[in-house]
Amino acid sequence: DTEVTQTPKHLVMGMTNKKSLKCEQHMGHRAMYWYKQKAKKPPELMFVYSYEKLSINESVPSRFSPECPNSSLLNLHLHALQPEDSALYLCASSHGQEGTGELFFGEGSRLTVL
Amino acid sequence: AQSVTQLDSQVPVFEEAPVELRCNYSSSVSVYLFWYVQYPNQGLQLLLKYLSGSTLVESINGFEAEFNKSQTSFHLRKPSVHISDTAEYFCAVSDPGYGQNFVFGPGTRLSVLP
Repeated sequence: DTEVTQTPKHLVMGMTNKKSLKCEQHMGHRAMYWYKQKAKKPPELMFVYSYEKLSINESVPSRFSPECPNSSLLNLHLHALQPEDSALYLCASSHGQEGTGELFFGEGSRLTVL
Repeated sequence: AQSVTQLDSQVPVFEEAPVELRCNYSSSVSVYLFWYVQYPNQGLQLLLKYLSGSTLVESINGFEAEFNKSQTSFHLRKPSVHISDTAEYFCAVSDPGYGQNFVFGPGTRLSVLP
């Protein structure tokens, strides 16, 4: 059973819409991640939050805007997306730099941009 | 920078046959090693991990992997596969003391045939 919860599981949006993906964990982890995964590919890192501060942004376009309201929550705000942004978006958490780096993943949010 | 190689992008195998999925990593220093499994339309689940100690690690569903430092490998094996093992398998590494540096391999699609 996953202890990282993502909502919604499926999202369809137009290119002019604004929507958000949400992620929640209650394992006391201090690092949280957004990954993007296209079909038949490994997850690609987008953002890392460490102790609620953005520590890594992998040159992601500004139409993706992350937010970490507290140590348990992570959001990804979406605006003016392109059809090529359609993918599975995975949230993950880990203990942080003092840990082993093991990532705990949610089930993902399947995004379709029309 | 770390890199992970999974030479086989697809591995078809008949049910009850043995299987080996290969993984090699680039670093010559100590690393943590992981195998993740992704079933269709789901997130990634940790299958097994090597942190230290015994070089042979096992999962609860019959998979095992052996850490070989001299060959920088962490191959995954199962003596008898089931239809339900059909999935995508990702090998990954992270650096001790820098848990956010997590690198995935490209993945191997295991297809178990009846």
